[in-house]
Amino acid sequence: GAGVSQSPRYKVAKRGQDVALRCDPISGHVSLFWYQQALGQGPEFLTYFQNEAQLDKSGLPSDRFFAERPEGSVSTLKIQRTQQEDSAVYLCASSLDQGNSPLHFGNGTRLTVT
Amino acid sequence: AQSVTQLDSHVSVSEGTPVLLRCNYSSSYSPSLFWYVQHPNKGLQLLLKYTSAATLVKGINGFEAEFKKSETSFHLTKPSAHMSDAAEYFCVVSDPLLSGTYKYIFGTGTRLKVLA
Repeated sequence: GAGVSQSPRYKVAKRGQDVALRCDPISGHVSLFWYQQALGQGPEFLTYFQNEAQLDKSGLPSDRFFAERPEGSVSTLKIQRTQQEDSAVYLCASSLDQGNSPLHFGNGTRLTVT
Repeated sequence: AQSVTQLDSHVSVSEGTPVLLRCNYSSSYSPSLFWYVQHPNKGLQLLLKYTSAATLVKGINGFEAEFKKSETSFHLTKPSAHMSDAAEYFCVVSDPLLSGTYKYIFGTGTRLKVLA
């Protein structure tokens, strides 16, 4: 496909469960970003990768959040022992290179923790 | 640290009248600035970008923005609002020289309402 693909589109998890969210970026895009968007808020930076290297993870809210991009393409955001405050839309974006290339966003994964 | 401030959380205009959505940023000499739009239950779409070329940037759907370094502003405008412009708009800054990282920082958003 031509765009950024995220799966699942919706995820409902019981408090304490682990979840894994997948992002398939645009082919050839070097950089990949994860954002968290709470209801009525702007996207908040979580982490980003250049190829397989995770260069900034300063936005991850706790050590329950973990992201990887082992082959420099598909990325997975994992949340362990989910809490209600983790409920949000998780957005993935990719860009051709670093710094001044626009981000191309997927449609997001809406996570609801009950 | 780099930051971006959207001065209005909500803006209402009548169809056919001008739109002004305000954005101020803190940055070093050469930031990259973007405007994105998010329609309800849709993904974020790039409207336009500024990356140190012309200070007046034209985007899609008749939108444009002007980079004013002296005012650290990057306001989004459109001469005539259309009903389909109703959405949430985000101003975004990327400034690796200031922040030491390539992360893109989003403003809190401005919800544009267009009245018939």
